[in-house]
Amino acid sequence: SQQGEEDPQALSIQEGENATMNCSYKTSINNLQWYRQNSGRGLVHLILIRSNEREKHSGRLRVTLDTSKKSSSLLITASRAADTASYFCATNAGGTSYGKLTFGQGTILTVHP
Amino acid sequence: GAVVSQHPSWVICKSGTSVKIECRSLDFQATTMFWYRQFPKQSLMLMATSNEGSKATYEQGVEKDKFLINHASLTLSTLTVTSAHPEDSSFYICSVRILAGRTDTQYFGPGTRLTVL
Repeated sequence: SQQGEEDPQALSIQEGENATMNCSYKTSINNLQWYRQNSGRGLVHLILIRSNEREKHSGRLRVTLDTSKKSSSLLITASRAADTASYFCATNAGGTSYGKLTFGQGTILTVHP
Repeated sequence: GAVVSQHPSWVICKSGTSVKIECRSLDFQATTMFWYRQFPKQSLMLMATSNEGSKATYEQGVEKDKFLINHASLTLSTLTVTSAHPEDSSFYICSVRILAGRTDTQYFGPGTRLTVL
């Protein structure tokens, strides 16, 4: 199964700065999703971008998708200490995958107050 | 989004015992749920797809006789770790598949931390 790769593995920034995380994947997808996980907790769905979309916004989040490069990026603008968490991309291959998601390795984001 | 609960949130058991973890979809009828395992500082690995009223589909390398899945209703799936060993200690997370129009996504439970002594 495909495994997404994310970089950086860890990112440390100051409050107010922007945070950019990247995700690469290997096979064709139907959509790509970003999730957030606070330490020791479940995942929170942030945003979904379809394969025919190039950019999507949701509040302080901006996601881009480049299917030719098989990559996506998540930008968090004006970061806050409360944004500290792990962020994962997950790809949905569609078709007969029946909704299965394949997760990237994740980026640990630390926002210092 | 859908609200998903898991019970228990954490459990400690002795090696050789079996542990059952429940995953409930509180406000959505879920024909499909997924079970994941997450080791410390690692990503989520899909273990199996739980289908209401039929047998679960396991990912390669996951022992179906060790990780028993029962999806007896549209709101409940259970994962039983049989004869647990210390290497089974992990964070187990379930999710509910939501299909709405062209959108296919998942909502996750809060996870269950299993520690096998």
